[in-house]
Amino acid sequence: EDKVVQSPLSLVVHEGDTVTLNCSYEVTNFRSLLWYKQEKKAPTFLFMLTSSGIEKKSGRLSSILDKKELFSILNITATQTGDSAIYLCAVPPNFGNEKLTFGTGTRLTIIP
Amino acid sequence: DTEVTQTPKHLVMGMTNKKSLKCEQHMGHRAMYWYKQKAKKPPELMFVYSYEKLSINESVPSRFSPECPNSSLLNLHLHALQPEDSALYLCASSQDWGQGGPQAFFGQGTRLTVV
Repeated sequence: EDKVVQSPLSLVVHEGDTVTLNCSYEVTNFRSLLWYKQEKKAPTFLFMLTSSGIEKKSGRLSSILDKKELFSILNITATQTGDSAIYLCAVPPNFGNEKLTFGTGTRLTIIP
Repeated sequence: DTEVTQTPKHLVMGMTNKKSLKCEQHMGHRAMYWYKQKAKKPPELMFVYSYEKLSINESVPSRFSPECPNSSLLNLHLHALQPEDSALYLCASSQDWGQGGPQAFFGQGTRLTVV
């Protein structure tokens, strides 16, 4: 059975700190890994990673995938209180199967 | 238009009521999803519609009945729910698989309370 595990489950840091969130996976026929940020309601899309070693970047957020070790990290530098959210990763299964299940999530809290 | 619109935003219903949740997208996405999310948990997949046909049902109780009237609309009909069904219900849609995977866009959700 496909498995997506995130760590840590919860993280509290001070504004300005840098954080690294982890997502490890065990799936057959890997195609991509997705990161989402969920604040009050809807998860919002951050990144889709398909290739190992290529960093995706958006402002202070960046993410990279390691297909050999089966994990991805999401980095946030110079954190702000607006970064407080749950960060979810998801690894869709094989081609043609739209089942999109999420990892356990990391609850990030930024203290001013 | 990159929005997935869900209505209503909040719903309180009794255990004998029948109600429906609605979801709409105009991005031309061919896959649409219903998720259920309890507090402090990740979203749990309930149903997937692909090209207006039900492709995945994650063993959801029959008191939840999905419907996809056309490629832009997705409904979730609710009947005889239990208090433990109270949750945030999220709708999502995604592009075809040729893009590398279901980069799903989510609606804002319906906060459902069953009394």
